[in-house]
Amino acid sequence: NAGVTQTPKFRILKIGQSMTLQCTQDMNHNYMYWYRQDPGMGLKLIYYSVGAGITDKGEVPNGYNVSRSTTEDFPLRLELAAPSQTSVYFCASSPRYYKIGNQPQHFGDGTRLSIL
Amino acid sequence: TQLLEQSPQFLSIQEGENLTVYCNSSSVFSSLQWYRQEPGEGPVLLVTVVTGGEVKKLKRLTFQFGDARKDSSLHITAAQPGDTGLYLCAGNTNAGKSTFGDGTTLTVKP
Repeated sequence: NAGVTQTPKFRILKIGQSMTLQCTQDMNHNYMYWYRQDPGMGLKLIYYSVGAGITDKGEVPNGYNVSRSTTEDFPLRLELAAPSQTSVYFCASSPRYYKIGNQPQHFGDGTRLSIL
Repeated sequence: TQLLEQSPQFLSIQEGENLTVYCNSSSVFSSLQWYRQEPGEGPVLLVTVVTGGEVKKLKRLTFQFGDARKDSSLHITAAQPGDTGLYLCAGNTNAGKSTFGDGTTLTVKP
């Protein structure tokens, strides 16, 4: 049972570099999310998607971009890495007809990203 | 922006003790969820509460949703070292947006 898989697990970037954080889920969930978690803080929503081809901004979208070409994959793109983007990034998913609301149910194990 | 305040921020207790952590807001939520997160891993969903006054039990964990659906509590009976972790609450609105609290870090010493 793979669930939500994130790659890479760790990455160090230099300021100004770009990279894509990968996220894939094998549960056929329609809703997918990207969060960042800073030390001692809760999770902040960056972007989310309610299905293939549909994405929307969350609470802290600046500096990031997403795409959702398939149900399974939801990559997060950093174009010009900045030190403020040093964080742990979590991808999550939930099924479409989760009537209780759009809360994420399944999280990946995170990508730890440092911008130096 | 709805804010969820969790208290206490840190809690260190001995094995066997009871504890309660709180999640409070001035906003009304359509549902609220509790997660537990261990170091190096993603949060794991423990429970979802949707009805004001609802109480749910999960073994030694008891979750309560406030009557006005603005607050929630998590009570752990006879805590064990395996309960150690970061406990996060998250409130959901009818608009579909969710807000996480900053968490309570629980340490249970053997």
